[in-house]
Amino acid sequence: GAGVSQSPSNKVTEKGKDVELRCDPISGHTALYWYRQSLGQGLEFLIYFQGNSAPDKSGLPSDRFSAERTGGSVSTLTIQRTQQEDSAVYLCASSLAQDSPLHFGNGTRLTVT
Amino acid sequence: SQQGEEDPQALSIQEGENATMNCSYKTSINNLQWYRQNSGRGLVHLILIRSNEREKHSGRLRVTLDTSKKSSSLLITASRAADTASYFCATASGNMLTFGGGTRLMVKP
Repeated sequence: GAGVSQSPSNKVTEKGKDVELRCDPISGHTALYWYRQSLGQGLEFLIYFQGNSAPDKSGLPSDRFSAERTGGSVSTLTIQRTQQEDSAVYLCASSLAQDSPLHFGNGTRLTVT
Repeated sequence: SQQGEEDPQALSIQEGENATMNCSYKTSINNLQWYRQNSGRGLVHLILIRSNEREKHSGRLRVTLDTSKKSSSLLITASRAADTASYFCATASGNMLTFGGGTRLMVKP
């Protein structure tokens, strides 16, 4: 079956513009995570959705970042007024349940010029 | 801050040799997972070991977990050039799955 799909795969934007990154998780997966990865670095947790519960937003770096998950499926990560330090690969992952292995998409590479 | 820290940060070996990567963490965990990442791709799950397990095998992979020392190791036996990738440990605690900085493994043919 299809894996986790992220779009776009690459995004170049000018400083100050807003961007939306999309994640289509594996069907039936109740948990969805967003991470950020800078070049050659580990993964930085951003936000976690589990079913219909309130999301865990503790990793969002500033109020310019927000995310939603509609109908328990597709998720959108929005970055407002982008800054150069937002440049990174944004990875989405889903899992069948809490404590289950994560399935990752290939990420969106965001470059802010 | 990162919960798991991998050691070494980079490892270069010859094909056929074994590769050992270590992970240390700070707080109590439900389980610990190892992932692999090829350049420009997402992470792929390799193996999960629960907090009440001490060792687990999967093909050429062997993972150990020592909760008293808050550490884990990943051993890849008889390495192949195709094993070249970055390897990450991730610790699960509550809702959170926290990743370390990774070990970059290069296997020379």
